[in-house]
Amino acid sequence: QQQVKQSPQSLIVQKGGISIINCAYENTAFDYFPWYQQFPGKGPALLIAIRPDVSEKKEGRFTISFNKSAKQFSLHIMDSQPGDSATYFCAAPRGFAFDRGSTLGRLYFGRGTQLTVWP
Amino acid sequence: DAGVIQSPRHEVTEMGQEVTLRCKPISGHNSLFWYRQTMMRGLELLIYFNNNVPIDDSGMPEDRFSAKMPNASFSTLKIQPSEPRDSAVYFCASSLEGQGVGYEQYFGPGTRLTVT
Repeated sequence: QQQVKQSPQSLIVQKGGISIINCAYENTAFDYFPWYQQFPGKGPALLIAIRPDVSEKKEGRFTISFNKSAKQFSLHIMDSQPGDSATYFCAAPRGFAFDRGSTLGRLYFGRGTQLTVWP
Repeated sequence: DAGVIQSPRHEVTEMGQEVTLRCKPISGHNSLFWYRQTMMRGLELLIYFNNNVPIDDSGMPEDRFSAKMPNASFSTLKIQPSEPRDSAVYFCASSLEGQGVGYEQYFGPGTRLTVT
């Protein structure tokens, strides 16, 4: 069964600092690794995702780095802001290419990292 | 776009009672997911529908849990009888899946269930 191991469980960063969250996965038939962000009382929402054949994806202050040989990917938040304080989940595909039809949308989620950015 | 709609937002019930959670996915989406979130177990996938058909229900804890999707715009998750250990936040999510890989899941606001 696909497992996604996320660390650290919690992270405290000073405003302006760099937040780094790491995830490791087992086997997967295809490369699609999203990060979801969840604020208290809300559902998770897609923050950024990396797709096949790309080792890095950057959107504003958020960057995903992907190391296929090590089966690891990480989220970097540059210039962290108090508004970034939330729980972050990494995810990896669940299911394989030979599953029924093209229904490959399932994800395994990591346990989450609670990020607190102090002003 | 109203997003994924869940009801109720909060539910408090006594052990042994039946609980029904409801979800309206985003119009046009063809996949629907039910998740349970707890501190101990994180975000767990309970069941996954594609085109209203249950594809993967391996995450449903036990026979007390059942889910239906009678049409593309409505799904229910039922717990009968409920137990205190079912207390959690239940999320419904939907997505539009095609022939590629990797699709954004849009989560609802969740239903916080407390079983006393």
